[in-house]
Amino acid sequence: GNSVTQMEGPVTLSEEAFLTINCTYTATGYPSLFWYVQYPGEGLQLLLKATKADDKGSNKGFEATYRKETTSFHLEKGSVQVSDSAVYFCALSVLNNNDMRFGAGTRLTVKP
Amino acid sequence: DVKVTQSSRYLVKRTGEKVFLECVQDMDHENMFWYRQDPGLGLRLIYFSYDVKMKEKGDIPEGYSVSREKKERFSLILESASTNQTSMYLCASSSRDRGSKQYFGPGTRLTVT
Repeated sequence: GNSVTQMEGPVTLSEEAFLTINCTYTATGYPSLFWYVQYPGEGLQLLLKATKADDKGSNKGFEATYRKETTSFHLEKGSVQVSDSAVYFCALSVLNNNDMRFGAGTRLTVKP
Repeated sequence: DVKVTQSSRYLVKRTGEKVFLECVQDMDHENMFWYRQDPGLGLRLIYFSYDVKMKEKGDIPEGYSVSREKKERFSLILESASTNQTSMYLCASSSRDRGSKQYFGPGTRLTVT
């Protein structure tokens, strides 16, 4: 079945450090790939997405590139801030939104 | 601003009680979803609905039922709450378009004692 695997957390970084959160996927067909973020006390919100191979999604300084050859969609940010502290979820859907699959989530803590 | 609202942020119920969790969206979305979120397990789909009165089981439907009588409202029902249903429950909605995002509510943290 379709699934995503993302690196386990928690991840703790100092402000201005470089961030990578790994995500790999398994899917039949051609999935759309997403990163969602959950700030403390809130629901999930879309951070970025990519709908076809080699697409790069970007938002708020975060980037992820849809790599079909490595079945990956790693999240990166060049310089994290304390306000980026949150839980990050990788997700995919293949046919439509009814088959969305989420990873286990990676908790990021950024210290000043 | 688009919105998905859930009836309660925190709920405490006793074992065996019937529990209703309500979700309302104002975006005229066809699809609505109920997930539970547990540490280390991410989000697991309980049920979804793709139209009024239509529902489909997700990955973990046991012990739950749902109701969608109006397009904007999707209810999750725990017929007889048990302690292993203590969790964070998230509602979401989306359009039917391929690749469209889901909009999430703030969540309901349910504790069953």
